This record gives sequence, structure tokens and C-alpha cells, in this order.
Amino acid sequence: TQLLEQSPQFLSIQEGENLTVYCNSSSVFSSLQWYRQEPGEGPVLLVTVVTGGEVKKLKRLTFQFGDARKDSSLHITAAQTGDTGLYLCAGENSGNTPLVFGKGTRLSVIA
Amino acid sequence: DTGVSQDPRHKITKRGQNVTFRCDPISEHNRLYWYRQTLGQGPEFLTYFQNEAQLEKSRLLSDRFSAERPKGSFSTLEIQRTEQGDSAMYLCASSFDQGPPLHFGNGTRLTVT
Repeated sequence: TQLLEQSPQFLSIQEGENLTVYCNSSSVFSSLQWYRQEPGEGPVLLVTVVTGGEVKKLKRLTFQFGDARKDSSLHITAAQTGDTGLYLCAGENSGNTPLVFGKGTRLSVIA
Repeated sequence: DTGVSQDPRHKITKRGQNVTFRCDPISEHNRLYWYRQTLGQGPEFLTYFQNEAQLEKSRLLSDRFSAERPKGSFSTLEIQRTEQGDSAMYLCASSFDQGPPLHFGNGTRLTVT
């Protein structure tokens, strides 16, 4: 079973601070996706990374895929209260295997 | 594109009762997935369909669970003889072929009392 470990599990920060959350595995993934989930809703895709070492930016969010395609990080610059939510990473091994999710990092940004 | 729709949004049932959930995927998507999410956990894979064919089932899917997608469009997930441990959010997602992204519905929250 492929496992994705996310850290930290919980994070509470003040508005304007920067933060990084991590997603680690001992397995190699063909792609890795980051989702954000708000209470009572389904996860919504933020980004997909495919190439080892790839960096993608989405406004204040920066995503990086590790060189060996086993890990990823999400960095948020100048966090806002609207960034509050559960951040999930999910790995795909091949086209015919279902996505495997980590347990998520629950982020709370306080005004 | 109306998104993935799940019904009902909430279901409260007594232990031992049967429940059925429905998922309507995005119309052009041929893959449909069921996941289960409990508090403090990420979504756990249950099963998925490509068109009407059920291609994979997780070991989490006990004999009390059955899923169908009879015409390759909507899907149902039935849980027989519910147990308190079945209480969770049941998420449906769809995609076009195997590519990302998965488009998730807002889930059905099941509470078994």
C-alpha cells in the first residue's frame, strides 16, 4: 500500500505569515496533486505536478515536486483568512490505479 | 457543466438499516469513483467504474457494500445492515479517462445511530 504522509497535521498561523506544508512518501508517483477542502464540501484541485523538480505557482501558492517524485511541498506566502481549509496531497502511480490521498494538513489562518 | 451531484447530502439511519446514495457525474466523464472520508482523515478509495464496468474494489468495501453504474452514467452506493463504523462522508468523483483532475461532489454525510 502506498502511503502519503502529510505534515504538519494541524497549523494555526496569523494572517500575513508564510507557511510550508509537506507531503512525503517512500513510493514514486507518476503525478501528485494538491487539493483544498472546506467543511461540508468535496476536495477541489489546486494543482497537478508531473515532472521531478517541477515548481508551479498559483498566485501566493508555490508547489514543488521532489526530484525523485516521492515528495512535494506547498508554500503559501502572506497567508490570508481565505486560505483556511484542509490541504490534501494525492498521488497517482499509473493511469489505471486510483488516487491515494494523505490525511491532510488542516490550516487555520487567524486575522 | 453542472459539476458532480450527490444525493442526499445528509443521511441519518439506525444501525441495521440499509441506505443507498446516488452520484451524478459530469456528463462527459467516463470514470466514476467512490471514496470514504472520516474525521481527521483524507479520502479513502472504495471503488471505481469506467463506463458501466466496475474495475477495482478496495478491501475496505465489505460484502455489505455494493456499487452500480448501470448505464455508465449515474452511480449508486448501497450499504446493507449499516454499522456505527460506517458513519462517514461518502464522496463521489468523476474524471475523463484516467487523467487528473478528479472532480468531487460535496459528499453524502452518513450518521449511523
